[in-house]
Amino acid sequence: DAKTTQPNSMESNEEEPVHLPCNHSTISGTDYIHWYRQLPSQGPEYVIHGLTSNVNNRMASLAIAEDRKSSTLILHRATLRDAAVYYCILREANNAGNMLTFGGGTRLMVKP
Amino acid sequence: DAGITQSPRYKITETGRQVTLMCHQTWSHSYMFWYRQDLGHGLRLIYYSAAADITDKGEVPDGYVVSRSKTENFPLTLESATRSQTSVYFCASSEFGRTANTGELFFGEGSRLTVL
Repeated sequence: DAKTTQPNSMESNEEEPVHLPCNHSTISGTDYIHWYRQLPSQGPEYVIHGLTSNVNNRMASLAIAEDRKSSTLILHRATLRDAAVYYCILREANNAGNMLTFGGGTRLMVKP
Repeated sequence: DAGITQSPRYKITETGRQVTLMCHQTWSHSYMFWYRQDLGHGLRLIYYSAAADITDKGEVPDGYVVSRSKTENFPLTLESATRSQTSVYFCASSEFGRTANTGELFFGEGSRLTVL
């Protein structure tokens, strides 16, 4: 799997938007960009994924650069419950079974 | 209850003992996975299974054994536990997708194993 690079940690204030960056300069044309997050003492949970176009769901938005070498996960209004480690992962199109390789992720701290 | 459950949630054992961590999912997902997460690190894949009776190694399989006689169960066995296997173990499942656009991973809550 192609590698991703994320900042080790970020801070945000409650109720403000948060932009979590991810660089994936070696992404291939068929790699999907997945985001998962892991709340304290829990297993990871799916957040969002995309290929080329920006994506929105109830949890977050995913903005993908035109050259696909970077992406940004956007939490529109951070809450204390959003404090977690966020993982940006590339998944190959022929990766049957959704096998994912997790990197170190970004630890998001949300201040009240 | 529907979902993916792991047991035990916490286990303390001694070096050399055999330990089995259980994983059960109620969705009939084709794929199941075992990851380990060491303190302050990301997850590393140990083994995965594409279907009953089909298993394959992940990134760190040494010291572990898996089986999958039924679709819903995927036990992980440490045949002779070592201190380096102290970790949090996560089981996950996913429906098979023929493209990467399908099939999110669903994780259990984890099993925290301490080997003394």
